[in-house]
Amino acid sequence: SQTIHQWPATLVQPVGSPLSLECTVEGTSNPNLYWYRQAAGRGLQLLFYSVGIGQISSEVPQNLSASRPQDRQFILSSKKLLLSDSGFYLCAWSSRTGLLYSNQPQHFGDGTRLSIL
Amino acid sequence: RKEVEQDPGPFNVPEGATVAFNCTYSNSASQSFFWYRQDCRKEPKLLMSVYSSGNEDGRFTAQLNRASQYISLLIRDSKLSDSATYLCVVNRNYGGSQGNLIFGKGTKLSVKP
Repeated sequence: SQTIHQWPATLVQPVGSPLSLECTVEGTSNPNLYWYRQAAGRGLQLLFYSVGIGQISSEVPQNLSASRPQDRQFILSSKKLLLSDSGFYLCAWSSRTGLLYSNQPQHFGDGTRLSIL
Repeated sequence: RKEVEQDPGPFNVPEGATVAFNCTYSNSASQSFFWYRQDCRKEPKLLMSVYSSGNEDGRFTAQLNRASQYISLLIRDSKLSDSATYLCVVNRNYGGSQGNLIFGKGTKLSVKP
Protein backbone atom coordinates (compact mmCIF):
# COMPACT_ATOMS: atom_id res chain seq x y z
CA SER A 1 0.00 0.00 0.00
CA GLN A 2 1.02 3.59 -0.53
CA THR A 3 2.28 5.77 2.30
CA ILE A 4 3.36 9.37 2.49
CA HIS A 5 5.83 10.70 5.03
CA GLN A 6 6.25 14.32 5.91
CA TRP A 7 8.58 15.87 8.44
CA PRO A 8 9.05 17.54 10.79
CA ALA A 9 5.63 17.54 12.46
CA THR A 10 6.19 20.95 14.07
CA LEU A 11 8.75 23.64 13.50
CA VAL A 12 9.42 26.99 15.11
CA GLN A 13 11.66 29.29 13.12
CA PRO A 14 12.76 32.94 13.44
CA VAL A 15 11.92 35.47 10.76
CA GLY A 16 14.60 35.53 8.09
CA SER A 17 15.77 31.96 8.64
CA PRO A 18 15.76 29.33 5.87
CA LEU A 19 13.27 26.49 5.58
CA SER A 20 13.33 22.96 4.23
CA LEU A 21 10.37 20.61 4.53
CA GLU A 22 10.61 17.15 3.07
CA CYS A 23 7.99 14.73 1.81
CA THR A 24 8.43 11.21 0.48
CA VAL A 25 5.97 8.74 -0.96
CA GLU A 26 6.29 4.95 -0.90
CA GLY A 27 4.47 2.21 -2.73
CA THR A 28 3.74 4.04 -5.98
CA SER A 29 5.61 5.31 -9.03
CA ASN A 30 5.26 8.54 -11.02
CA PRO A 31 2.86 10.21 -8.61
CA ASN A 32 1.62 13.77 -8.91
CA LEU A 33 2.91 15.63 -5.85
CA TYR A 34 1.54 18.74 -4.17
CA TRP A 35 2.36 21.25 -1.45
CA TYR A 36 -0.50 23.05 0.27
CA ARG A 37 -0.69 25.60 3.04
CA GLN A 38 -3.60 26.02 5.42
CA ALA A 39 -3.60 29.18 7.50
CA ALA A 40 -5.52 29.15 10.78
CA GLY A 41 -9.26 29.05 10.09
CA ARG A 42 -8.73 29.13 6.34
CA GLY A 43 -9.06 26.71 3.44
CA LEU A 44 -6.31 24.78 1.70
CA GLN A 45 -4.18 26.84 -0.65
CA LEU A 46 -2.25 24.98 -3.35
CA LEU A 47 1.34 26.24 -3.44
CA PHE A 48 3.12 23.93 -5.89
CA TYR A 49 2.46 20.80 -7.87
CA SER A 50 4.71 18.44 -9.79
CA VAL A 51 3.97 15.85 -12.45
CA GLY A 52 7.54 14.53 -12.65
CA ILE A 53 11.17 14.86 -11.59
CA GLY A 54 12.34 18.45 -11.96
CA GLN A 55 8.88 19.62 -13.09
CA ILE A 56 7.43 22.20 -10.72
CA SER A 57 4.44 24.47 -11.23
CA SER A 58 3.75 27.34 -8.89
CA GLU A 59 0.19 28.35 -8.14
CA VAL A 60 0.80 31.61 -6.32
CA PRO A 61 3.74 34.03 -6.23
CA GLN A 62 5.42 33.85 -2.87
CA ASN A 63 8.49 33.52 -0.76
CA LEU A 64 8.71 29.75 -1.19
CA SER A 65 10.11 27.33 -3.74
CA ALA A 66 9.77 23.62 -4.38
CA SER A 67 11.96 20.93 -5.86
CA ARG A 68 11.53 17.32 -6.89
CA PRO A 69 14.98 15.74 -7.04
CA GLN A 70 13.63 12.17 -7.15
CA ASP A 71 10.40 10.60 -8.35
CA ARG A 72 8.92 10.23 -4.86
CA GLN A 73 10.56 13.12 -3.06
CA PHE A 74 9.17 16.63 -2.85
CA ILE A 75 10.87 19.46 -0.97
CA LEU A 76 9.51 22.85 0.07
CA SER A 77 12.09 25.56 0.73
CA SER A 78 12.57 29.18 1.58
CA LYS A 79 15.72 31.26 1.81
CA LYS A 80 14.22 33.78 4.25
CA LEU A 81 11.01 33.14 6.13
CA LEU A 82 8.40 35.84 6.68
CA LEU A 83 5.86 36.07 9.49
CA SER A 84 3.16 35.42 6.89
CA ASP A 85 4.69 32.01 6.12
CA SER A 86 3.26 30.60 9.34
CA GLY A 87 0.70 27.87 8.80
CA PHE A 88 -0.01 24.20 8.41
CA TYR A 89 1.91 22.77 5.43
CA LEU A 90 0.60 19.64 3.80
CA CYS A 91 2.18 17.41 1.19
CA ALA A 92 -0.09 15.24 -0.92
CA TRP A 93 0.16 12.70 -3.74
CA SER A 94 -2.20 11.35 -6.35
CA SER A 95 -2.00 8.74 -9.06
CA ARG A 96 -1.64 9.87 -12.62
CA THR A 97 -4.56 8.61 -14.66
CA GLY A 98 -3.55 9.52 -18.18
CA LEU A 99 -6.98 11.06 -18.63
CA LEU A 100 -6.80 14.78 -19.17
CA TYR A 101 -10.10 15.71 -17.55
CA SER A 102 -10.39 13.24 -14.74
CA ASN A 103 -8.50 13.36 -11.51
CA GLN A 104 -7.72 10.89 -8.81
CA PRO A 105 -8.21 11.86 -5.18
CA GLN A 106 -5.23 13.23 -3.31
CA HIS A 107 -3.80 11.67 -0.18
CA PHE A 108 -2.15 13.81 2.45
CA GLY A 109 0.78 13.48 4.80
CA ASP A 110 0.41 14.32 8.48
CA GLY A 111 1.45 17.93 7.88
CA THR A 112 4.01 20.30 9.36
CA ARG A 113 2.85 23.04 11.68
CA LEU A 114 5.20 25.99 11.09
CA SER A 115 5.37 28.93 13.46
CA ILE A 116 7.46 31.97 12.62
CA LEU A 117 8.63 34.15 15.50
CA ARG B 1 -18.87 33.07 -7.87
CA LYS B 2 -16.28 31.18 -5.84
CA GLU B 3 -14.85 28.02 -7.39
CA VAL B 4 -16.19 25.87 -4.56
CA GLU B 5 -18.64 27.20 -1.99
CA GLN B 6 -19.82 25.59 1.21
CA ASP B 7 -21.86 26.71 4.20
CA PRO B 8 -19.19 27.05 6.92
CA GLY B 9 -21.59 26.04 9.70
CA PRO B 10 -21.16 25.02 12.42
CA PHE B 11 -23.86 22.40 12.32
CA ASN B 12 -24.62 21.31 15.88
CA VAL B 13 -26.69 18.13 15.93
CA PRO B 14 -27.58 15.47 18.51
CA GLU B 15 -26.36 11.91 18.19
CA GLY B 16 -28.55 9.90 15.86
CA ALA B 17 -29.61 12.88 13.78
CA THR B 18 -29.46 13.06 10.00
CA VAL B 19 -27.49 15.99 8.64
CA ALA B 20 -26.95 17.21 5.08
CA PHE B 21 -24.18 19.40 3.66
CA ASN B 22 -24.35 21.20 0.36
CA CYS B 23 -21.69 22.51 -1.96
CA THR B 24 -21.77 24.43 -5.24
CA TYR B 25 -19.01 24.70 -7.81
CA SER B 26 -18.47 27.20 -10.61
CA ASN B 27 -16.66 25.26 -13.36
CA SER B 28 -19.14 23.28 -15.43
CA ALA B 29 -16.24 21.35 -17.01
CA SER B 30 -15.26 19.74 -13.69
CA GLN B 31 -15.36 15.94 -13.84
CA SER B 32 -14.17 14.67 -10.47
CA PHE B 33 -15.79 15.30 -7.11
CA PHE B 34 -14.92 14.22 -3.59
CA TRP B 35 -15.79 14.71 0.04
CA TYR B 36 -12.94 14.89 2.53
CA ARG B 37 -13.04 14.96 6.30
CA GLN B 38 -10.60 17.01 8.37
CA ASP B 39 -10.29 16.62 12.13
CA CYS B 40 -9.01 19.54 14.18
CA ARG B 41 -5.30 20.14 13.55
CA LYS B 42 -5.03 17.07 11.33
CA GLU B 43 -4.64 16.42 7.62
CA PRO B 44 -7.69 16.05 5.33
CA LYS B 45 -8.67 12.46 4.66
CA LEU B 46 -10.69 11.18 1.73
CA LEU B 47 -14.21 10.27 2.84
CA MET B 48 -15.70 9.30 -0.50
CA SER B 49 -15.71 10.06 -4.19
CA VAL B 50 -18.95 11.38 -5.68
CA TYR B 51 -20.31 9.68 -8.78
CA SER B 52 -22.89 10.93 -11.25
CA SER B 53 -25.42 8.32 -10.21
CA GLY B 54 -24.96 9.07 -6.52
CA ASN B 55 -23.26 6.67 -4.16
CA GLU B 56 -23.54 5.38 -0.65
CA ASP B 57 -20.97 4.16 1.87
CA GLY B 58 -22.59 2.96 5.06
CA ARG B 59 -24.23 5.93 6.76
CA PHE B 60 -22.88 8.37 4.15
CA THR B 61 -24.60 9.22 0.86
CA ALA B 62 -23.21 11.57 -1.77
CA GLN B 63 -25.18 13.11 -4.63
CA LEU B 64 -24.12 15.09 -7.67
CA ASN B 65 -26.35 17.40 -9.72
CA ARG B 66 -24.37 18.49 -12.77
CA ALA B 67 -27.11 20.73 -14.15
CA SER B 68 -27.16 22.81 -10.97
CA GLN B 69 -23.43 22.29 -10.25
CA TYR B 70 -24.28 21.09 -6.80
CA ILE B 71 -22.93 18.31 -4.57
CA SER B 72 -24.38 17.03 -1.33
CA LEU B 73 -23.36 14.77 1.53
CA LEU B 74 -25.91 13.13 3.80
CA ILE B 75 -24.92 11.57 7.11
CA ARG B 76 -27.48 9.34 8.78
CA ASP B 77 -27.50 8.25 12.43
CA SER B 78 -24.75 10.71 13.39
CA LYS B 79 -22.06 9.52 15.79
CA LEU B 80 -19.93 11.59 18.13
CA SER B 81 -16.95 10.50 16.02
CA ASP B 82 -18.47 12.21 12.97
CA SER B 83 -17.57 15.59 14.49
CA ALA B 84 -15.13 17.17 12.04
CA THR B 85 -14.94 19.62 9.16
CA TYR B 86 -16.19 18.26 5.84
CA LEU B 87 -14.49 19.56 2.71
CA CYS B 88 -16.12 19.59 -0.71
CA VAL B 89 -13.51 19.03 -3.45
CA VAL B 90 -13.76 19.50 -7.22
CA ASN B 91 -11.15 19.08 -9.94
CA ARG B 92 -10.03 22.25 -11.67
CA ASN B 93 -9.99 20.95 -15.25
CA TYR B 94 -8.66 23.93 -17.13
CA GLY B 95 -5.38 25.66 -17.92
CA GLY B 96 -3.29 22.49 -18.18
CA SER B 97 -3.64 21.83 -14.48
CA GLN B 98 -4.16 18.12 -14.72
CA GLY B 99 -4.41 16.59 -11.29
CA ASN B 100 -5.34 19.78 -9.50
CA LEU B 101 -8.19 19.82 -7.04
CA ILE B 102 -9.98 22.78 -5.52
CA PHE B 103 -10.88 22.42 -1.86
CA GLY B 104 -13.82 24.20 -0.31
CA LYS B 105 -13.25 25.86 3.05
CA GLY B 106 -15.33 23.20 4.74
CA THR B 107 -18.45 22.78 6.83
CA LYS B 108 -17.93 22.16 10.51
CA LEU B 109 -20.05 19.46 12.14
CA SER B 110 -20.38 19.01 15.87
CA VAL B 111 -22.34 15.98 17.10
CA LYS B 112 -23.47 16.27 20.71
CA PRO B 113 -24.46 13.44 23.09
